[in-house]
Amino acid sequence: DTAVSQTPKYLVTQMGNDKSIKCEQNLGHDTMYWYKQDSKKFLKIMFSYNNKELIINETVPNRFSPKSPDKAHLNLHINSLELGDSAVYFCASSPGINQPQHFGDGTRLSIL
Amino acid sequence: AQSVTQLDSQVPVFEEAPVELRCNYSSSVSVYLFWYVQYPNQGLQLLLKYLSGSTLVKGINGFEAEFNKSQTSFHLRKPSVHISDTAEYFCAVKKEGGKLIFGQGTELSVKP
Repeated sequence: DTAVSQTPKYLVTQMGNDKSIKCEQNLGHDTMYWYKQDSKKFLKIMFSYNNKELIINETVPNRFSPKSPDKAHLNLHINSLELGDSAVYFCASSPGINQPQHFGDGTRLSIL
Repeated sequence: AQSVTQLDSQVPVFEEAPVELRCNYSSSVSVYLFWYVQYPNQGLQLLLKYLSGSTLVKGINGFEAEFNKSQTSFHLRKPSVHISDTAEYFCAVKKEGGKLIFGQGTELSVKP
C-alpha cells in the first residue's frame, strides 16, 4: 500500500564506497524527485525527473547520479562516498511538475 | 532569487492552546505555496496548499493557512493543538514550472 517507497531505510557504510538508494512510486505520477535533508533538517532538492527525463539538476557533485528506468522508479547512485554525504535522502513524486509532492519515509545514510 | 523564511525555529505551546507558525516568501511572480509536516523519523506529509482562489486554505488535522499577497506571508494556524501535533513543519514555495524551495522548518512542541 506504500505510495512512495525507498530502500534501504538505513545505510551505514565506509568512506569511499559506492552505494545506491532505490525509490518506487505506485501512484502513477509523472514526476519524481530526490531531496537531501541535512543534520539541521534543511531540505534541498537534488534532482527531478518528469517522464524519465531530467528536468532539475541542482548543484550536486557528479558523484551523485540519478537513474530513472521507468516513470515509477528513480534510483540514486553515489560514488566515492564522503563524510559530508551523511544525511537523510528523501524521494518524492507528484502527478505533474506543479502539483503537491508525496514523500517517501527517507533513507538515513551514515558514512563512517 | 526566491526564498522562504520561517521566522521561528522552535515554538513550544501547551496542549489545547492556539498556535501560529509564521512563513514569509519573496517572489515577484505568482507562486504556489505549501505547508508540510514531518513527524519523527518519517517523510513529509502535505498539510495544505495554496494554488489560486480563496486566500484562506483549510488542510488536514484542523490546520489552516492564509495567503497574504501584500505581506508575502502564508502563516499556518490551528485553534487548539494536541500532543500529536508535535512535529517539524515546513513552509515551501514553488514557481510555475520551477522547483520546490523549503523554509528552514519550525519545530512545534506541544506540552501537556
